[in-house]
Amino acid sequence: GDSVTQMEGPVTLSEEAFLTINCTYTATGYPSLFWYVQYPGEGLQLLLKATKADDKGSNKGFEATYRKETTSFHLEKGSVQVSDSAVYFCALSRPGAQKLVFGQGTRLTINP
Amino acid sequence: DTGVSQDPRHKITKRGQNVTFRCDPISEHNRLYWYRQTLGQGPEFLTYFQNEAQLEKSRLLSDRFSAERPKGSFSTLEIQRTEQGDSAMYLCASSLMEGSGSPLHFGNGTRLTVT
Repeated sequence: GDSVTQMEGPVTLSEEAFLTINCTYTATGYPSLFWYVQYPGEGLQLLLKATKADDKGSNKGFEATYRKETTSFHLEKGSVQVSDSAVYFCALSRPGAQKLVFGQGTRLTINP
Repeated sequence: DTGVSQDPRHKITKRGQNVTFRCDPISEHNRLYWYRQTLGQGPEFLTYFQNEAQLEKSRLLSDRFSAERPKGSFSTLEIQRTEQGDSAMYLCASSLMEGSGSPLHFGNGTRLTVT
């Protein structure tokens, strides 16, 4: 079945460091790919998405590129801030399917 | 847009009791989803509705679980004869019917503790 694997956390970085959170997936066909973020005390919210191969999703300085050849959707940010501390979830949905399949989440802590 | 609202925020119950959770989606959203999240894991799909029709149920949804969306607006999730393994965060989400790329809008969840 479909699955998403994220790099294990927790990840701790200093402010202004470069961030990469790896995400790979297994799915039939061409799924849509998503990154969701959960800030402390808040619900999950969509960070960015990409719906076809080579698409790049971006938002709030974060980027992720849909790589069909490596079945990956790694999340990157050039310079992280303390306010980026949260749990990040990679997810997919298959064409015609309505449900999201999530990875296990990566907790990110940014120290000042 | 007031967001997705879930009630209650927390529920503590004794094993064997029944519990019911409520979700109010964003008003114009016709799709509504229930997910379950345990500590350190990502959300797992339970079921989804398009308007009032329940179109898909996960194998995770045992016979003790039932969900309804009677008028295509709010939804309820009931767990009968709760077990300790039911302890989790229950998340509701809603979306517009725009295909598989539609983003889901999540509520803050109901945290269930079964003692």
